[in-house]
Amino acid sequence: EVQLLESGGGLVQPGGSLRLSCVASKFSFSTYNMDWVRQAPGKGLEWVSGITNGGDKTYYADSVKGRLTISRDNSKNEVYLQMDSLRAEDTAVYYCARGLVAGRPYYEYWGQGTLVTVSS
Amino acid sequence: EIVLTQSPGTLSLSPGERATLSCRASQSVSSNYLAWYQQKPAQAPRLLIYGASSRATGIPDRFSGSGSGTDFTLTISRLEPEDVAVYHCQQYGSSPLTFGGGTKVEIK
Repeated sequence: EVQLLESGGGLVQPGGSLRLSCVASKFSFSTYNMDWVRQAPGKGLEWVSGITNGGDKTYYADSVKGRLTISRDNSKNEVYLQMDSLRAEDTAVYYCARGLVAGRPYYEYWGQGTLVTVSS
Repeated sequence: EIVLTQSPGTLSLSPGERATLSCRASQSVSSNYLAWYQQKPAQAPRLLIYGASSRATGIPDRFSGSGSGTDFTLTISRLEPEDVAVYHCQQYGSSPLTFGGGTKVEIK
């Protein structure tokens, strides 16, 4: 069974930084695009960022562009989300999700999520 | 950006009843690239339907999706207690990917 396991969440002050990690297993990681999706407390889901299987293309929601950076290491089966200049509105559970081999995705596999809280 | 509006906000039904959830898009969803997810408390979303009407692996056949263009529906033919959850729709026909606000399904 495909597994995605996020880590790196926590409490950070406004303007601070965090790096989220997601380690994947039980599938050919380098074949698939990968995304991050977040969910603010009591709110709906919001797509945040995506990266192609080779890591050559990245995509961001306007709300995070210039502050969050997605990357991946196919040798380690990991995808990352570097979060800088964090704001209170970035407070959310961040999910790592497996995309498709190509094209805009729906998400068959999700991690369990990691909570990021931005507060002073 | 395509805005997805889900209705009703909350649906309260008895076991065995039929649940009909709506997802309306602000513009046509390309190729009917519309997915539905079920999310139980403190859990990650679970894919139910993709391509508007294709059931994901392992999803019971009481869940069905329909619709095209701007109007989509998720139907639970006979509600069971374990179906209590929030249901989200998502379009992946155009960028950016967007989700609806969710419909909460409760058991009376």
